[in-house]
Amino acid sequence: DVKVTQSSRYLVKRTGEKVFLECVQDMDHENMFWYRQDPGLGLRLIYFSYDVKMKEKGDIPEGYSVSREKKERFSLILESASTNQTSMYLCASSPPPTGLAGAGGEQFFGPGTRLTVL
Amino acid sequence: AQKVTQAQTEISVVEKEDVTLDCVYETRDTTYYLFWYKQPPSGELVFLIRRNSFDEQNEISGRYSWNFQKSTSSFNFTITASQVVDSAVYFCALFKSGTYKYIFGTGTRLKVLA
Repeated sequence: DVKVTQSSRYLVKRTGEKVFLECVQDMDHENMFWYRQDPGLGLRLIYFSYDVKMKEKGDIPEGYSVSREKKERFSLILESASTNQTSMYLCASSPPPTGLAGAGGEQFFGPGTRLTVL
Repeated sequence: AQKVTQAQTEISVVEKEDVTLDCVYETRDTTYYLFWYKQPPSGELVFLIRRNSFDEQNEISGRYSWNFQKSTSSFNFTITASQVVDSAVYFCALFKSGTYKYIFGTGTRLKVLA
């Protein structure tokens, strides 16, 4: 059974703390993604990675950084947590785009981490 | 610009009713892919379907069916004879060919009442 796991389901941190959210996939996927989900805003892409040590900014990267030292692990880092980063964070993985048309594959999601910053 | 619009924020139906979730997308690309995902209360999004822009055939999978119409840029999802287990948030997403990015709609929360 394919799996994307996230280190915590619930996390409470204080303003200014450095926060690490970990994501591990066991499908040998090249692509990994971090999204945040907020009511009325859907899923917004923070960062993605298409290979080890490679990363690209998504639509809302400010205040976040990422690390991908191993293929199976993709970490999201909040350098100095703020209250407006209180959200649900979702990690996903997918195989690379295939074929000449660059077909996007199915994404596999983790269960999410609900982060509260006080 | 690319965009996915799910205008229905929340829908409530009684069990066994049919329900259609709307998805309208915007893109200037000729090659793209559309997805539907289900997010049950447990939180983990689950893939339902992928459709490429060259395949406008409707698809049926059990009680689920999808209607893709390029003329109206819509990719609507119908659940026939809804069940309580269908209660979830449903997301429509657009993938731009040749990139790595998926663009999600804001989701539709479906409540199926017993």
